[in-house]
Amino acid sequence: DAKTTQPPSMDCAEGRAANLPCNHSTISGNEYVYWYRQIHSQGPQYIIHGLKNNETNEMASLIITEDRKSSTLILPHATLRDTAVYYCIVRVAGGTGNQFYFGTGTSLTVIP
Amino acid sequence: GAVVSQHPSWVICKSGTSVKIECRSLDFQATTMFWYRQFPKQSLMLMATSNEGSKATYEQGVEKDKFLINHASLTLSTLTVTSAHPEDSSFYICSGKREYEQFFGPGTRLTVL
Repeated sequence: DAKTTQPPSMDCAEGRAANLPCNHSTISGNEYVYWYRQIHSQGPQYIIHGLKNNETNEMASLIITEDRKSSTLILPHATLRDTAVYYCIVRVAGGTGNQFYFGTGTSLTVIP
Repeated sequence: GAVVSQHPSWVICKSGTSVKIECRSLDFQATTMFWYRQFPKQSLMLMATSNEGSKATYEQGVEKDKFLINHASLTLSTLTVTSAHPEDSSFYICSGKREYEQFFGPGTRLTVL
C-alpha cells in the first residue's frame, strides 16, 4: 500500500476554511484516497473518499491533483467540533482485504 | 450510515487474566472486520483482518496466540486478549467492512493492572 505524508498539526480559525494537505506520491492507479477523522478517544469517522475526480459531500470537499500524488481535504466552515486528528489513507479497491494502514495524521485545532 | 458497536467500552483487569472484546455490526452484515490497537498519542495500528467463518489474518509482529480472534457470524467478531499484561493496555478499535468502506466502532479502553 502507498504511504501518506501529512503535517503533524494545523490551526484554523472558527468559521474559516480548513485545508488539510496529504502527499501520496507513490499511489497506484487503482488506489483510492480516503479521509477519516478521530475525535479524542473515539473511533474514526468517515469523511470522504475519491479516486481521481474531486469529490464533495455534506462534510467536506476532496481535491485530488491531476497526477494523483497529493490531495487536499477542505472543511469549508470549520467549527470547534471539527477539532480532531485527520487521517489520509490510500487503499486498493476490490479484492478480499481492503485493509487501511493509518499514517500519523494531522491534528487540527479550530480556534475560537 | 452503518453502525458498529463494541462491548465493553472500557475494562480493567488483573495481569495474567484474559479479556474478551466484542465487535458488532448493528445494521449491516460484515463478512470482514478489522481490529486495531492505538497507544496514547499514536495512530491506529492494524492488528488483524477477521473474515467470517475462517481464520483471521494477523499483521506482522502481532501474536496470534495472544490475540485470539473469532468471527463466527456476519455481525459479530470477538478479540480475546489472553494472559494480559500491563503492556497490553491500549485502546482497541474494530471496524466492519461494507463494500469498500470501513465503519469503526467506538473503541474499548483496556487497562491491565
